[in-house]
Amino acid sequence: KQEVTQIPAALSVPEGENLVLNCSFTDSAIYNLQWFRQDPGKGLTSLLLIQSSQREQTSGRLNASLDKSSGRSTLYIAASQPGDSATYLCAVGEELQGGSEKLVFGKGTKLTVNP
Amino acid sequence: NAGVTQTPKFQVLKTGQSMTLQCAQDMNHNSMYWYRQDPGMGLRLIYYSASEGTTDKGEVPNGYNVSRLNKREFSLRLESAAPSQTSVYFCASSENINEQFFGPGTRLTVL
Repeated sequence: KQEVTQIPAALSVPEGENLVLNCSFTDSAIYNLQWFRQDPGKGLTSLLLIQSSQREQTSGRLNASLDKSSGRSTLYIAASQPGDSATYLCAVGEELQGGSEKLVFGKGTKLTVNP
Repeated sequence: NAGVTQTPKFQVLKTGQSMTLQCAQDMNHNSMYWYRQDPGMGLRLIYYSASEGTTDKGEVPNGYNVSRLNKREFSLRLESAAPSQTSVYFCASSENINEQFFGPGTRLTVL
């Protein structure tokens, strides 16, 4: 059974710092990996999707990498801002019947960026 | 373009009551999903629909039923609510095996 682990569970940094969030998964047979952001009491916002054949994706100050063979992904946030404060979720996609995929989620890393 | 919408946003039920959570997407996606989010557990898949007219069980289907009404709409029904179903419910959609987009969630409390 696929298990997704995110370390650390919580992280507090000063504004302007570059930071890395880690995600590991136990089964490398994944279709893709998706990083989400969740603000308190809100839904999930998709940040980046990395297909299993890709090594990384970038969007603005965010860069996500994927190493399928070692079961690891990292989310790099450059020049962090207080508005980046949120919980970041990592999810790996596994095949389902009919051409869909199930996302298996980690428990998230709660990030606080202090002004 | 609203993306994925869910109603209601909040709901309080008594044990044994029934209710239906509604979800709609306007992105013409084939696949739709229902997840629940519990503290310390992460999100877990309840049911999914790979295409209009099909539905299948996910990881935690007990106590729930679903209906894929048409390509846009996918509802989740609790026939006899239990306190263990207190959770936040998220609907999502995707174009087959691709990026999933989530709705804002329904916060359900069962007393």
